[in-house]
Amino acid sequence: GENVEQHPSTLSVQEGDSAVIKCTYSDSASNYFPWYKQELGKRPQLIIDIRSNVGEKKDQRIAVTLNKTAKHFSLHITETQPEDSAVYFCAASWGGGGNKLTFGTGTQLKVEL
Amino acid sequence: DTGVSQDPRHKITKRGQNVTFRCDPISEHNRLYWYRQTLGQGPEFLTYFQNEAQLEKSRLLSDRFSAERPKGSFSTLEIQRTEQGDSAMYLCASSLEGDGYTFGSGTRLTVV
Repeated sequence: GENVEQHPSTLSVQEGDSAVIKCTYSDSASNYFPWYKQELGKRPQLIIDIRSNVGEKKDQRIAVTLNKTAKHFSLHITETQPEDSAVYFCAASWGGGGNKLTFGTGTQLKVEL
Repeated sequence: DTGVSQDPRHKITKRGQNVTFRCDPISEHNRLYWYRQTLGQGPEFLTYFQNEAQLEKSRLLSDRFSAERPKGSFSTLEIQRTEQGDSAMYLCASSLEGDGYTFGSGTRLTVV
């Protein structure tokens, strides 16, 4: 089955700096890669996703890049703000979404003033 | 429709008791998923439905766990003879086929 590894497990940045979280996956059949943000005690919320037919996707301060050859994808957050502090999870699935997701172990992002 | 609803939000039960959780998905979503999340970990897949059909069940899921989605609307997850290792947050999510998930707020189970 699919295995998703995520690094780093914790990340501390100064407000206004950029943050990068990286994930690798094992199943070459995976073609859908979402990222979720989970604040303490709250539900995971989808913040951005990418499908294997594109290499990069951007939404305001958030971007995701995908390297299918190397089987890794990354989340980039620019101009970080305190409200970006949360746990971020990457995930992977096949079938273009709407299927079983395999999640990474999460990255605790702390944005310091 | 305000999203995915889960009930109860919290459940404390004694070891050996049976518990049942309910999930109401977004009404137009045909897929419904159950995940389990323990502290410091990502959600772990349990099972999912397309309409009323259960399409996949995790091999990690023991026979004490069962899920149903009668009539393709709400779903229930039952755990029989609960064990302390079952303590976790149980998350439900729904989606349209091919789209991303919307998660519910979860049911936190504590087995004492």
